[in-house]
Amino acid sequence: DGGITQSPKYLFRKEGQNVTLSCEQNLNHDAMYWYRQDPGQGLRLIYYSQIVNDFQKGDIAEGYSVSREKKESFPLTVTSAQKNPTAFYLCASSEARGRRETQYFGPGTRLLVL
Amino acid sequence: AQSVTQPDIHITVSEGASLELRCNYSYGATPYLFWYVQSPGQGLQLLLKYFSGDTLVQGIKGFEAEFKRSQSSFNLRKPSVHWSDAAEYFCAVGLPNAGNNRKLIWGLGTSLAVNP
Repeated sequence: DGGITQSPKYLFRKEGQNVTLSCEQNLNHDAMYWYRQDPGQGLRLIYYSQIVNDFQKGDIAEGYSVSREKKESFPLTVTSAQKNPTAFYLCASSEARGRRETQYFGPGTRLLVL
Repeated sequence: AQSVTQPDIHITVSEGASLELRCNYSYGATPYLFWYVQSPGQGLQLLLKYFSGDTLVQGIKGFEAEFKRSQSSFNLRKPSVHWSDAAEYFCAVGLPNAGNNRKLIWGLGTSLAVNP
């Protein structure tokens, strides 16, 4: 089955700790995205990557970092600089066909602060 | 600036009733248009999309949406709602002329409750 997997489903972070959220896709999609979702605020783009070894900041990149070493993987690190990390994090991917691309989403990771 | 508005934060309908969820956008050209659904604690599932052509689009789960250029709208409809349709619905807009910017612009969502 093709799809997007995110792990873990729940993640707990202690003060001052960096944590990494995993996102893997086997859809052979070129582009991948990370969103943060807070109640009443919809989806906000953190980072996106159109191709391996390249990524761009989204609207709320501060306190986050990413890497794109493999086409199928786009991990997100929530650093200690992110002071309010509690949120639901969604990963998406799309096949970059010009601009007519459709984003498909993983099941999400909920990050909580201890 | 480009924006997407979903005027209704929360809607409650009775099972079997018809449904229309509103989506309006602000953009100088015809955008690409999407509707997604999200069940609690889950990811987003694509319901339907519009790129060009026929302005009435059919999607999954019995949903349809109509693009109206004159009203800058892309409203989602279903003739008869089922209890399992209770969820959060998001409208999103892609920008064909935005250079290398591949971002989608998202509405804040409409929460749908279904009364038995």
